[in-house]
Amino acid sequence: EAGVAQSPRYKIIEKRQSVAFWCNPISGHATLYWYQQILGQGPKLLIQFQNNGVVDDSQLPKDRFSAERLKGVDSTLKIQPAKLEDSAVYLCASSQSTRLAGAKNIQYFGAGTRLSVL
Amino acid sequence: GQQLNQSPQSMFIQEGEDVSMNCTSSSIFNTWLWYKQDPGEGPVLLIALYKAGELTSNGRLTAQFGITRKDSFLNISASIPSDVGIYFCAGRNTGGFKTIFGAGTRLFVKA
Repeated sequence: EAGVAQSPRYKIIEKRQSVAFWCNPISGHATLYWYQQILGQGPKLLIQFQNNGVVDDSQLPKDRFSAERLKGVDSTLKIQPAKLEDSAVYLCASSQSTRLAGAKNIQYFGAGTRLSVL
Repeated sequence: GQQLNQSPQSMFIQEGEDVSMNCTSSSIFNTWLWYKQDPGEGPVLLIALYKAGELTSNGRLTAQFGITRKDSFLNISASIPSDVGIYFCAGRNTGGFKTIFGAGTRLFVKA
């Protein structure tokens, strides 16, 4: 079974530029998550989708971050304009469904996109 | 907001030694998860715990879901160099589906 795919693996941009990350979840997984992981910290949830609807975006800085999952499969996360403090690894994860308990709600992570803002 | 306190922050051990790390919270969780993250990779699930008091093993790893539902621990027996990495605990709260991660325990194993 293919895992969660993310691209690009690395991105270096200057502050005030824009950037986009792409995620393809595990086939059949209804729930998709974007996390931000700052160096030395655990992942912090930015946004969670159930199919193409947003379940939780309470920690997404909406003035500069946006995400979409138009067809309920792939997702993109965009930052515009980027700030220095956005330097982090952006992890995408998927699970079968957030509405199911136990093992069906376990999240599987992609390798992440490492963003450096200069 | 909810927070998980994970300790220790880092550990330096000799190959063959046993390791213990834990996670505590002020909130009750109905699921505890332990992940390992290697450099340049995403976290990989090691053990999932679903019931208070549950003790689960995965090879040399053993994890327990605390009786109070506010803590969990992970033990690694007879450590080997490939155990090096960052271990994260994560909790999923009752009534919601948000997963909260600890800050991680960085494990270094000297051969």
